[in-house]
Amino acid sequence: EVQLVASGGGLVQPGGSLKLSCSASGFTFSDYAMHWVRQAPGRGLESVSAISNTGYSTFDAHSVKGRFTISRDNSKNTLSLQMNSLSVEDTAVYYCVKGSSNGRNNYYYHMDFWGKGTTVIVSS
Amino acid sequence: DIVLTQSPDSLAVSLGERATINCKSSQSVFYSSSNKNYLAWYQQKPGQPPKLLIYWASTRESGVPDRFSGGGSGTDFTLTISSLQAEDVAIYYCQQYYTTLLTFGGGTKVEIK
Repeated sequence: EVQLVASGGGLVQPGGSLKLSCSASGFTFSDYAMHWVRQAPGRGLESVSAISNTGYSTFDAHSVKGRFTISRDNSKNTLSLQMNSLSVEDTAVYYCVKGSSNGRNNYYYHMDFWGKGTTVIVSS
Repeated sequence: DIVLTQSPDSLAVSLGERATINCKSSQSVFYSSSNKNYLAWYQQKPGQPPKLLIYWASTRESGVPDRFSGGGSGTDFTLTISSLQAEDVAIYYCQQYYTTLLTFGGGTKVEIK
């Protein structure tokens, strides 16, 4: 059974930093691209960052480029998102999501499993 | 960026009736080299993460009831629920993966009339 358990969310002041983690199990983690997708309160879905199965290819949305860094440790089946220079617009539930492809050369396909998400609140 | 526009924003359908959701893309998401449309549909029930329903525009994910079907090509797509059940109350999103920047539609809320 595929499981994705995200953690690390919380309350942070504007300009602060936070690191999210996602522990994966139930599939061969190193074979698949992974994603972070966020959902602001009462809003739709926004793809934030993606990483290929090896970690060599990454992609960030315009809104987070230069502030967020996605990474993975295939030896520990763990996905991470380092978030810096946070603003109130980053307040959202952040979902750790399994891709359906390996993501090599930044070719990402549909997302076939979503974890429960962790909540990030940026507020003073 | 590819913009996906869903319509309607919400719809109320009687139990057992058909529900149709539209998704229009600002540019074609059909790749001629693979002969595939790079579009997926997700279902999000209240308080839950999204769940994949349809990919490649019309391929049903394993375990998804056959009352859900996807259609369309190029820039215009539909998700149809042939006979609405109470458990289908949710928000439905389309998503394109034609470009590396993955984008979602704004969502369509489906309720029971």
